[in-house]
Amino acid sequence: NAGVTQTPKFRILKIGQSMTLQCTQDMNHNYMYWYRQDPGMGLKLIYYSVGAGITDKGEVPNGYNVSRSTTEDFPLRLELAAPSQTSVYFCASSRPPEESREDTQYFGPGTRLTVL
Amino acid sequence: GNSVTQMEGPVTLSEEAFLTINCTYTATGYPSLFWYVQYPGEGLQLLLKATKADDKGSNKGFEATYRKETTSFHLEKGSVQVSDSAVYFCALIRTKTSYDKVIFGPGTSLSVIP
Repeated sequence: NAGVTQTPKFRILKIGQSMTLQCTQDMNHNYMYWYRQDPGMGLKLIYYSVGAGITDKGEVPNGYNVSRSTTEDFPLRLELAAPSQTSVYFCASSRPPEESREDTQYFGPGTRLTVL
Repeated sequence: GNSVTQMEGPVTLSEEAFLTINCTYTATGYPSLFWYVQYPGEGLQLLLKATKADDKGSNKGFEATYRKETTSFHLEKGSVQVSDSAVYFCALIRTKTSYDKVIFGPGTSLSVIP
């Protein structure tokens, strides 16, 4: 299993540009998540999904959009990039809490995004 | 509200030194508590967990005990190695039915020097 994969690893955007961060998992997990990690701030949940076709906002959803057309993929879209979106973005997945003995999320390696 | 507080880093230790990283939490009910580790250039990995008071989580020589009376979950290791250099995150899940409610602390960076 590759686990959770993310592309790209690094990206520099200009203010106002758009991009999609890709996330794929091969563990057949229903739950998927997008976090951003700012220095000294821990991780903040942007959006999450409990299954294909179902998404919901997390703590900091403004400026982002997501879709979940398949179990495997959960892309994150930035429509009009702003300097405040400079961060490291992590995708994660898990089984539904009621099914998981391990109670853990599996994280991808992250995408480092800079908006100038 | 729910929150997790960790000791500020960075922490620098010599190899074989004793490690403690403090973590305290604020939460209603009975949360599950976790320590995650992030090695350079990688995502977070679960290190250990405890799901009820007085439980001790352990893995790779690391330990943490769920102390409800002091609302703490301090991470300890008796003898650190250079390979333990990483960022450590304390986290809680307030309820087992709500993975969207994972609360992470800010992380503590650990550097172990030979």
